[in-house]
Amino acid sequence: KQEVTQIPAALSVPEGENLVLNCSFTDSAIYNLQWFRQDPGKGLTSLLLIQSSQREQTSGRLNASLDKSSGRSTLYIAASQPGDSATYLCAAPGVSGGYQKVTFGIGTKLQVIP
Amino acid sequence: EAQVTQNPRYLITVTGKKLTVTCSQNMNHEYMSWYRQDPGLGLRQIYYSMNVEVTDKGDVPEGYKVSRKEKRNFPLILESPSPNQTSLYFCASSLALTGGYTFGSGTRLTVV
Repeated sequence: KQEVTQIPAALSVPEGENLVLNCSFTDSAIYNLQWFRQDPGKGLTSLLLIQSSQREQTSGRLNASLDKSSGRSTLYIAASQPGDSATYLCAAPGVSGGYQKVTFGIGTKLQVIP
Repeated sequence: EAQVTQNPRYLITVTGKKLTVTCSQNMNHEYMSWYRQDPGLGLRQIYYSMNVEVTDKGDVPEGYKVSRKEKRNFPLILESPSPNQTSLYFCASSLALTGGYTFGSGTRLTVV
């Protein structure tokens, strides 16, 4: 059964700092790895999608990497801003227990202090 | 605009009163799924559908039903809601399981 873990659970940083969020998964047979942002009480906004054959994806100040062999993905945020404050989730779709499913981490709650 | 639309956004109901949460997508996606999100437990998959008339259970299907009669719609049905189904519910769709996911805005359900 796929398990996805995100560390740390919460993070508080001063504005302007570069930071790394971690996502680990136990089953490397994933189709892709997707990072989302969720604001309180709101839906999930897709940030980056890395296909299983790719190593990284970049969008603006965000860079996500994927290492299937070690079961890890990282989301790098450069020059953090107060508007980056949100919960960040990673998701790993694949086959688990015979079912097609998507397994989410519980998320990392990020606070960027002005 | 490409989107997943859920209705209602908020719902308060009483135990045992049947309800339906609708989900519709305009992207011609084949894969659709329902999740519930609870504090400390994260997002858990309830049901998913690979295509019209093809549905399967996720991690927490008990107390829920779904149907996929049309490609664009994937309603979530609670035949007899109970307080433990109080949660934030999300519908999501994807072109395929290998594609990226688009989420709806969520439905906050309270069962009293």
